[in-house]
Amino acid sequence: DSGVTQTPKHLITATGQRVTLRCSPRSGDLSVYWYQQSLDQGLQFLIQYYNGEERAKGNILERFSAQQFPDLHSELNLSSLELGDSALYFCASSPGLAETQYFGPGTRLLVL
Amino acid sequence: GENVEQHPSTLSVQEGDSAVIKCTYSDSASNYFPWYKQELGKGPQLIIDIRSNVGEKKDQRIAVTLNKTAKHFSLHITETQPEDSAVYFCAAGGPGTDKLIFGTGTRLQVFP
Repeated sequence: DSGVTQTPKHLITATGQRVTLRCSPRSGDLSVYWYQQSLDQGLQFLIQYYNGEERAKGNILERFSAQQFPDLHSELNLSSLELGDSALYFCASSPGLAETQYFGPGTRLLVL
Repeated sequence: GENVEQHPSTLSVQEGDSAVIKCTYSDSASNYFPWYKQELGKGPQLIIDIRSNVGEKKDQRIAVTLNKTAKHFSLHITETQPEDSAVYFCAAGGPGTDKLIFGTGTRLQVFP
């Protein structure tokens, strides 16, 4: 158990809908990262927050957005969902910058 | 763009044998190289990492070597056990960014 928690574990929704994925980092960790894992794209970095501020952005679609709250938990919002958004979404956290990233158990999203 | 190639994609070994997984990275500025193990239905778990100021690092049955000139790094698992069976991912990161670029994964099967 890495200490990173993610909810929900599974999510089934329809195309066009909007969902919110939640991540609680390890106690004391200031950095939160979001990754998408799909069969054809592998593990892809989406976005990083550090102490509430956006720090780095990867290939995150405009339909996706994220934020980190004052209590350091983070949410990833996915809107106008398409079939191709079906994937595992992982959150990771690290104490600060340029430090080891610890991954949560993931949220499996299925868009029908 | 940044890229990490990982080989082989699948690897089958007999219990007690050694397993070697190799990765090559494209960005010569990369300075951080973690290895993650992912079991079915779980998030990636860090097993070992190395920074570019070190050529080799060992932790019990696991070792990682780094060749900065050739831009490749390898994971070595000795005395493999059935519980080593999983998908292994290499990644490259930094400097100036915490974004990790992942390889495509190696499915390791250890047969008793």
